[in-house]
Amino acid sequence: DVVMTQSPLSLPVTLGQPASISCRSTQSLVHSDGNTYLNWFQLRPGQSPRRLIYKVSNRDSGVPDRFSGSGSGTDFTLTISRVEAEDVGLYYCMEGTHWPPYTFGQGTNLEIK
Amino acid sequence: EVQLVESGGAVVQPGRSLRLSCAASGIKFYDYAMNWFRQAPGKGLEWVGFIRSKAYGGTTEYAASVKGRFTISRDDSKTIAYLQMNNLRTEDTAVYFCTGANCRTTSCYREAPFDHWGQGTLVTVSS
Repeated sequence: DVVMTQSPLSLPVTLGQPASISCRSTQSLVHSDGNTYLNWFQLRPGQSPRRLIYKVSNRDSGVPDRFSGSGSGTDFTLTISRVEAEDVGLYYCMEGTHWPPYTFGQGTNLEIK
Repeated sequence: EVQLVESGGAVVQPGRSLRLSCAASGIKFYDYAMNWFRQAPGKGLEWVGFIRSKAYGGTTEYAASVKGRFTISRDDSKTIAYLQMNNLRTEDTAVYFCTGANCRTTSCYREAPFDHWGQGTLVTVSS
């Protein structure tokens, strides 16, 4: 089974500063169709999950352009160029290449310093 | 407006059963595959399982952690998806979310195109 490992698990950030979350998989996430199904989700306190990024770097509609995704193979990154107060919450990478199941990372808790 | 509303969460003893419901509106429910996810306290998101639309056989898939204990079903006439949970364990304690996807291809499922989620319902398994 694929294991997704995120780091850091806790990410204190000063408002206006950048933040990066790493996600590594134990197997390549390149599917035989040529796509890499690595998605990022946000879970704000008291809210439902929200997909931010799909297939590594595609931003969902309505997601601020300060969020970006990058990476390939087994190594991926979610970057927030300038953290805002509304970005506080949990961030999860999730792989869909080997679906089913969907496999998530442990989550990264972003907080404001 | 799309709405997904979960209900049925409760405090139950280990070994007991519980059925959650996910009532949908604002979507062509019969076209949607319905998924259940959960988040345990202090733990990460976990996919629980899903049920395809009837057009794709209405078949189900489950996470290994719940397979054989949980069953997902749907009633398209009522636009409700169900999660029947049997032989509950303390580690099943979590907020359970439902979400749907209108996918025609497996590549679509792989992208996890979940635009709409319910607010979640809390299940606590404790003696």
